[in-house]
Amino acid sequence: DQQVKQNSPSLSVQEGRISILNCDYTNSMFDYFLWYKKYPAEGPTFLISISSIKDKNEDGRFTVFLNKSAKHLSLHIVPSQPGDSAVYFCAASAYGNTGKLIFGQGTTLQVKP
Amino acid sequence: EPEVTQTPSHQVTQMGQEVILRCVPISNHLYFYWYRQILGQKVEFLVSFYNNEISEKSEIFDDQFSVERPDGSNFTLKIRSTKLEDSAMYFCASSGTPDYNSPLHFGNGTRLTVT
Repeated sequence: DQQVKQNSPSLSVQEGRISILNCDYTNSMFDYFLWYKKYPAEGPTFLISISSIKDKNEDGRFTVFLNKSAKHLSLHIVPSQPGDSAVYFCAASAYGNTGKLIFGQGTTLQVKP
Repeated sequence: EPEVTQTPSHQVTQMGQEVILRCVPISNHLYFYWYRQILGQKVEFLVSFYNNEISEKSEIFDDQFSVERPDGSNFTLKIRSTKLEDSAMYFCASSGTPDYNSPLHFGNGTRLTVT
């Protein structure tokens, strides 16, 4: 099942710089997209979401961009902090079924001090 | 901040045994879910539950699996006869409403090891 793909398994960024995490999807019926962060031995923690009627959503240091024509979304973290080091999952749902999420495989972000 | 609580954090069982994984969702949430993540693979949906009924289940959720809300606070996942391939991290999640304003909140998971 490759409906949601995160092609970069890892990303390393210097503290204070921008982190950009990418996600591609194939199902044109997806209408809701989310980013979750996961620390070791913990469950995924919700970060930010966007519905398909928008192309940008911002919450503090986190901004999600959605490009429907390219079936691509990205998460920008500015400025990056060492505490942001975690695995980031992109997830999507279709037909308004917001409880059934299709996850990407995750990108491990390391923010270096 | 309210959170989803899962017990135990780690469960080891022998193949063929029954296991029950327990979850206490956020108290005012009405929609409950189980997901799992096999080591090295994606987090995948198992089942959703609302109003004491299964709303939707994936093809993974076969007759060996069942869910129950035995009281007003707990939500359980039972695997009747465990197989080696059931070894995974199992996450419980809950949400207040099934819409864009209520993202899923996940627990810390139960690591199930079947030997």
